[in-house]
Amino acid sequence: KQEVTQIPAALSVPEGENLVLNCSFTDSAIYNLQWFRQDPGKGLTSLLLIQSSQREQTSGRLNASLDKSSGRSTLYIAASQPGDSATYLCAVKPGGFKTIFGAGTRLFVKA
Amino acid sequence: NAGVTQTPKFQVLKTGQSMTLQCAQDMNHEYMSWYRQDPGMGLRLIHYSVGAGITDQGEVPNGYNVSRSTTEDFPLRLLSAAPSQTSVYFCASSQNTGTGISGANVLTFGAGSRLTVL
Repeated sequence: KQEVTQIPAALSVPEGENLVLNCSFTDSAIYNLQWFRQDPGKGLTSLLLIQSSQREQTSGRLNASLDKSSGRSTLYIAASQPGDSATYLCAVKPGGFKTIFGAGTRLFVKA
Repeated sequence: NAGVTQTPKFQVLKTGQSMTLQCAQDMNHEYMSWYRQDPGMGLRLIHYSVGAGITDQGEVPNGYNVSRSTTEDFPLRLLSAAPSQTSVYFCASSQNTGTGISGANVLTFGAGSRLTVL
């Protein structure tokens, strides 16, 4: 059974710091991996999607990497800002029709 | 604005009552799904649909029913509400489910429906 783990559960950093969020999954047979952002009381917004054949994707200050063989993905946020404060969720699609989510990392960026 | 619309945003039920959470999308997406989000547990898939007339169970389907009579709508029915169904429910859709253009698999979420069962 595919399981997705995100560590740490919460993270607090000063503004301007570069940071890395981690995601691990137990079965390397995935079709894609997505990173989402969730603001309090709101829905999820897709940030980046990495296909299984790709190693990384970039969008602005965000860079997501994928290492299928080791079951790991990282989300790198450069020059963090208070507006980046949110919960970040990782999700894998094992194939078929289901997407499996991690519990998320709650990020707080201090001004 | 195009997207996924969920109603209601908030609902309080008594144990044993039934209700329907509505989900509609106007992006002509084939795939629609319902998740519940509980503290510390991430999102868990309840039911999903790959097109009108086709539905299937996810991880936690017990106590919930779905139907998909049109491409746009995917309602979630709680048959007899229980306190364990207190949660935030999210509807999500994507253009398709299979291989092909990666952007077609990006999930678009609604804003959520917060349900409390007393």
